[in-house]
Amino acid sequence: KAGVTQTPRYLIKTRGQQVTLSCSPISGHRSVSWYQQTPGQGLQFLFEYFSETQRNKGNFPGRFSGRQFSNSRSEMNVSTLELGDSALYLCASSRGTDRVFSETQYFGPGTRLLVL
Amino acid sequence: AQSVTQLDSHVSVSEGTPVLLRCNYSSSYSPSLFWYVQHPNKGLQLLLKYTSAATLVKGINGFEAEFKKSETSFHLTKPSAHMSDAAEYFCVVSEGRTGTALIFGKGTTLSVSS
Repeated sequence: KAGVTQTPRYLIKTRGQQVTLSCSPISGHRSVSWYQQTPGQGLQFLFEYFSETQRNKGNFPGRFSGRQFSNSRSEMNVSTLELGDSALYLCASSRGTDRVFSETQYFGPGTRLLVL
Repeated sequence: AQSVTQLDSHVSVSEGTPVLLRCNYSSSYSPSLFWYVQHPNKGLQLLLKYTSAATLVKGINGFEAEFKKSETSFHLTKPSAHMSDAAEYFCVVSEGRTGTALIFGKGTTLSVSS
């Protein structure tokens, strides 16, 4: 079974631009979560989508948004990029059953975003 | 609110010696706890998870962790370190309200010398 895939793997943008990252979950997984990893703040939860609905959201500004399609693929968008948005963005998928507390999340390799 | 504290930012061991990575958690709910490993330039991989079944959890590559409610701890151990174990390790708790968010510790970098 193919793992979680993320595209692109690397991106360079300038301040003020916007960016869209893509995530394809493991086949059959309906939940997709996004995380930001930086040296200073570590790994932080952005949001989670299940059945095309945002089910949970972390403490990030509205410039960070996402969506999920009917095939469970997800995109994350960051508008008006700031230097501090430079990070590794990780996507994770899980089956999305009722027992969400115990579900294992499977992570993709990440998209490394550099904002100049 | 849920949180995790990894007590050591860096642990150094010699190959063949035991590994102990310490983690304390705080949770308003009966928590689900995980250990993930991240090798350089690679994605996060689940080592093991605790979900209110057996308190001693066995994971991949010889790692195990013990859930101790009285001490609010979930330390990761391995009897004998291997060079390939050198990586960053994250203790993680599942967020309580919906359980869909993972709350990560700051990470512990494990170095293994020959």
